[in-house]
Amino acid sequence: GAGVSQSPSNKVTEKGKDVELRCDPISGHTALYWYRQSLGQGLEFLIYFQGNSAPDKSGLPSDRFSAERTGGSVSTLTIQRTQQEDSAVYLCASSFGLAGADLYEQYFGPGTRLTVT
Amino acid sequence: AQSVAQPEDQVNVAEGNPLTVKCTYSVSGNPYLFWYVQYPNRGLQFLLKYITGDNLVKGSYGFEAEFNKSQTSFHLKKPSALVSDSALYFCAVRDPYSGGYQKVTFGTGTKLQVIP
Repeated sequence: GAGVSQSPSNKVTEKGKDVELRCDPISGHTALYWYRQSLGQGLEFLIYFQGNSAPDKSGLPSDRFSAERTGGSVSTLTIQRTQQEDSAVYLCASSFGLAGADLYEQYFGPGTRLTVT
Repeated sequence: AQSVAQPEDQVNVAEGNPLTVKCTYSVSGNPYLFWYVQYPNRGLQFLLKYITGDNLVKGSYGFEAEFNKSQTSFHLKKPSALVSDSALYFCAVRDPYSGGYQKVTFGTGTKLQVIP
């Protein structure tokens, strides 16, 4: 079946511009996660959506970052006034489980490589 | 608070030799533990998980991991390494008793290099 998809696969933007990154989770998955992976670094948690509950935004690095999840499916991560330090691969993942989501493994998309010049 | 540590940035092993990628964790209760692999220029893939039951967990591609509660470890192992196993490996932990949102914490990753 279809996996998690992300678009665009690559994005080059000028410093100060806004960008939107899109994630289409696996159908039926209620949990959706955004992570950031910088070169040579591990995964940095950004935000977590679970069903209709309020998202866990505790990982967002600044107020320039925001995310939405419409209709419990597609999610968009928006970075306003991009800075060079925002350059990274942004990964989206989804998983089963409205209750007990942590029992289930996450399925990751291929990521969006963001380069801020 | 939950945390996970991967003490080795890189592990080198000769093809055909056994491999171990180390992971230790810190939680207040019994953990849920996961291993993921990231092949070059590809997304992360799930390898295996420990939720409860047998301490030895078998996963994809011949990998296995042993949950050791006394040592708070969940090391990834494979009896005979393949060059194609060369990748970045992430350990992840979730403390199901910590309450709050159900997110896992990932380690910083260990690069495995299998030498022909």
